[in-house]
Amino acid sequence: ETGVTQTPRHLVMGMTNKKSLKCEQHLGHNAMYWYKQSAKKPLELMFVYSLEERVENNSVPSRFSPECPNSSHLFLHLHTLQPEDSALYLCASSHGQGASRYEQYFGPGTRLTVT
Amino acid sequence: GDSVTQMEGPVTLSEEAFLTINCTYTATGYPSLFWYVQYPGEGLQLLLKATKADDKGSNKGFEATYRKETTSFHLEKGSVQVSDSAVYFCALISSGGYNKLIFGAGTRLAVHP
Repeated sequence: ETGVTQTPRHLVMGMTNKKSLKCEQHLGHNAMYWYKQSAKKPLELMFVYSLEERVENNSVPSRFSPECPNSSHLFLHLHTLQPEDSALYLCASSHGQGASRYEQYFGPGTRLTVT
Repeated sequence: GDSVTQMEGPVTLSEEAFLTINCTYTATGYPSLFWYVQYPGEGLQLLLKATKADDKGSNKGFEATYRKETTSFHLEKGSVQVSDSAVYFCALISSGGYNKLIFGAGTRLAVHP
């Protein structure tokens, strides 16, 4: 595998379910990000991890819980979601420092539908 | 706060037509600017970037020039192809937050043969 991978690619869950999204990067980066892409809205940054430490949490509801066990893996744990949480969830990674730290590499996303 | 405004789409063009997608920004200082592209069913890919005023970013025939006097970073291509059909996002690095990208709403481009 190369680049940034995400699993599953599609997920349908009920409001009472608990599920997790997984992201893995094979680029040697040490910063990872979760974004939410909803129809007709700009991408929203949800969480940022640098060296496995959370450095950004942009007022995301607690029903979304991120986890970064190492610099290559990032999870988003979901529980008691609402229908308005249906969206494409994108993971990205980048170098944490240096001139290329602003270049983020994105995975293909997980299309989440909450019923 | 920092923000990015893009022209609304969709933009529909015939193959070999000239493309312009407008992007303007509001930010503190002179942030690095980016264009990302999202093909159907895929994540975003970095298309080009510019890190200071008057810089021109270019890639795959696309160009954009960082204009600080007009706070703009318009995307252009001289001759589009059907394979360029995608959603294009203008973005900047925010002065607040860790490597925080602020995206525009995206502009969908459809190119017909």
